[in-house]
Amino acid sequence: DAGVIQSPRHEVTEMGQEVTLRCKPISGHDYLFWYRQTMMRGLELLIYFNNNVPIDDSGMPEDRFSAKMPNASFSTLKIQPSEPRDSAVYFCASSWARRGTGPYNEQFFGPGTRLTVL
Amino acid sequence: LAKTTQPISMDSYEGQEVNITCSHNNIATNDYITWYQQFPSQGPRFIIQGYKTKVTNEVASLFIPADRKSSTLSLPRVSLSDTAVYYCLVGDRLTGSARQLTFGSGTQLTVLP
Repeated sequence: DAGVIQSPRHEVTEMGQEVTLRCKPISGHDYLFWYRQTMMRGLELLIYFNNNVPIDDSGMPEDRFSAKMPNASFSTLKIQPSEPRDSAVYFCASSWARRGTGPYNEQFFGPGTRLTVL
Repeated sequence: LAKTTQPISMDSYEGQEVNITCSHNNIATNDYITWYQQFPSQGPRFIIQGYKTKVTNEVASLFIPADRKSSTLSLPRVSLSDTAVYYCLVGDRLTGSARQLTFGSGTQLTVLP
C-alpha cells in the first residue's frame, strides 16, 4: 500500500479564497483523522470519521472549516473563506480499529499539506 | 482525560541510550500509553504502545512501572537520524474517544555527533 496520500503537498492562496485539501486513507482502514499543526498550538485534532461518518468535530476551529468523507477512500477538508491564521500544516491520518476497539490504535499519517494564506 | 508531561528537549550523543520519561499521574484503568516520533516536515510515526511492565520492538522499549503514573521510552544506541520530536499519548484504546489523542508539545531530541 502507498500509505496515506494527501494533496496538494503545498498550497499558497490569498485571503478570502476557498481551499480544499484532499486525503486518501490506507485501504481497509476505518478511521480517518484530520489534524492541524502550527508552532504555537502544536498538533491539534480537528475532526475524525469512523466508517465515513463524522464522529467528533469539536476541534474544527469555526464554521469556515468543513470536512467530508463521501466514501471509504476519500476525504476533503475545506476552508472557506481562508484567512492568514489558517496557515499551518494539515495532516490526514488513518487507522484500523480491530473489532471491539476504539480509534486509539496505531495511526498512519500522510505527508501533510503545507498551507500558506497570504 | 489523562494529561501528560514530558521534557521539552533533550540532547544526546551518537551511540548512547536515550530515555525519555512521560508523566501521566491521572491515568485511568483502561488507558494505554503510546509514543510517536515526528521528523521535520513529516507526519508523526507510531513507535510503540503498552499497558504495563515492558514492551519491546525493533525500534524501542517502553517501560511502565506498576503504578503506571509514568512511562519511559528507551532508544538504544541513538544515531543522528533519531533527532526528532517524540510524543507521549495516553488514552483508552478500547472505548475512548479520539479526542483523547492530544499530542502536546512533545520532547525534541537532538542527537549530537
